[in-house]
Amino acid sequence: GQNIDQPTEMTATEGAIVQINCTYQTSGFNGLFWYQQHAGEAPTFLSYNVLDGLEEKGRFSSFLSRSKGYSYLLLKELQMKDSASYLCAVTDSNYQLIWGAGTKLIIKP
Amino acid sequence: TAGITQAPTSQILAAGRSMTLRCTQDMRHNAMYWYRQDLGLGLRLIHYSNTAGTTGKGEVPDGYSVSRANTDDFPLTLASAVPSQTSVYFCASSVTTGTTDTQYFGPGTRLTVL
Repeated sequence: GQNIDQPTEMTATEGAIVQINCTYQTSGFNGLFWYQQHAGEAPTFLSYNVLDGLEEKGRFSSFLSRSKGYSYLLLKELQMKDSASYLCAVTDSNYQLIWGAGTKLIIKP
Repeated sequence: TAGITQAPTSQILAAGRSMTLRCTQDMRHNAMYWYRQDLGLGLRLIHYSNTAGTTGKGEVPDGYSVSRANTDDFPLTLASAVPSQTSVYFCASSVTTGTTDTQYFGPGTRLTVL
């Protein structure tokens, strides 16, 4: 079966750095997405990785290792507004998006 | 630009009643999707449409139907609601399917079936 694993919840301090991990087992791989979802709102696109390595976009970076079936989202200089759920999703061989359950990130002052 | 709109925002529905959740996008995207999101689970695909006039079944299609009469609208119908359909429903769209195009989401409809 297809599976995406993420930690359920993480806590971090304002101004710090946090890494949210995602491991996947899917039938084929055509890319990995990270989305942010604030409570009661819609998911919004953060990043996309299809090749191994690190993609940096401001305070957010996303890393992919296809051989390990592993990705992480790195958030630097955490702000209170970063409190949200972070969803990992993989595009399989049929170009269907397989979603993880999301990681709820709690930022403390 | 509105993007994707959904209606209603929330609804309480008696079991056995029917209901249509509305979704409209103004981005001229070919592909549209309906997901449900339940606590502790990832987004699950209900139905999708590659282009106007075509629809397909996702992971959890039972109890739901869709239509795609034009590019902009993609309504989701529950013919006879059951309590297990209590969920948050998101409509999404992307330029095309069969690629890695980013999906853009509507604000969601929170449905409670009693």
